[in-house]
Amino acid sequence: NAGVTQTPKFRILKIGQSMTLQCTQDMNHNYMYWYRQDPGMGLKLIYYSVGAGITDKGEVPNGYNVSRSTTEDFPLRLELAAPSQTSVYFCASSRRTGGYNSPLHFGNGTRLTVT
Amino acid sequence: GENVEQHPSTLSVQEGDSAVIKCTYSDSASNYFPWYKQELGKRPQLIIDIRSNVGEKKDQRIAVTLNKTAKHFSLHITETQPEDSAVYFCAASWTNFGNEKLTFGTGTRLTIIP
Repeated sequence: NAGVTQTPKFRILKIGQSMTLQCTQDMNHNYMYWYRQDPGMGLKLIYYSVGAGITDKGEVPNGYNVSRSTTEDFPLRLELAAPSQTSVYFCASSRRTGGYNSPLHFGNGTRLTVT
Repeated sequence: GENVEQHPSTLSVQEGDSAVIKCTYSDSASNYFPWYKQELGKRPQLIIDIRSNVGEKKDQRIAVTLNKTAKHFSLHITETQPEDSAVYFCAASWTNFGNEKLTFGTGTRLTIIP
């Protein structure tokens, strides 16, 4: 049981480039999330998904896109990378059943630098 | 929306002493308060959580207290050890939603001095 797996671990992008951060989970969790963590700041929610085919914006969605074609995968797409998107990105998952939320399970993160 | 403030931003304590981290929240509807620990370069991991129907919860050296009237909750670590050094995040949400409503504090960097 690998939990939440993110790739790549590190990436350097030039301004204007695009990339996809991959996230997969093997816990059969229905909820998945993307957070960004800037230095000295808490975690900010970018996008989330409550199940395959359903996604919604979080607190800081601008400049990002997501899709959820399967329960396991939740990729995050950066289009036209900007220096403001330099951050550490965490994917997370949880299970919600009958009004109960399991805790968030985080991946190991992707450290992205845009120069 | 919910706003969570966390203090202090940094905290240093001698090994063996206690550490206390405090958080306040703004939305009186919030009823779920988890604490996450993040070691350097690693993922955040849940260490303890509390729901608003209880005032205190303990797990070995870690405890969390909740004051609903004052809208604040605190993390207490007793008999601190070097492996307690990490960044700790509090969070608050309303369990009528999923974790998408979880609002995080800005974190406390705890350093245990041997």
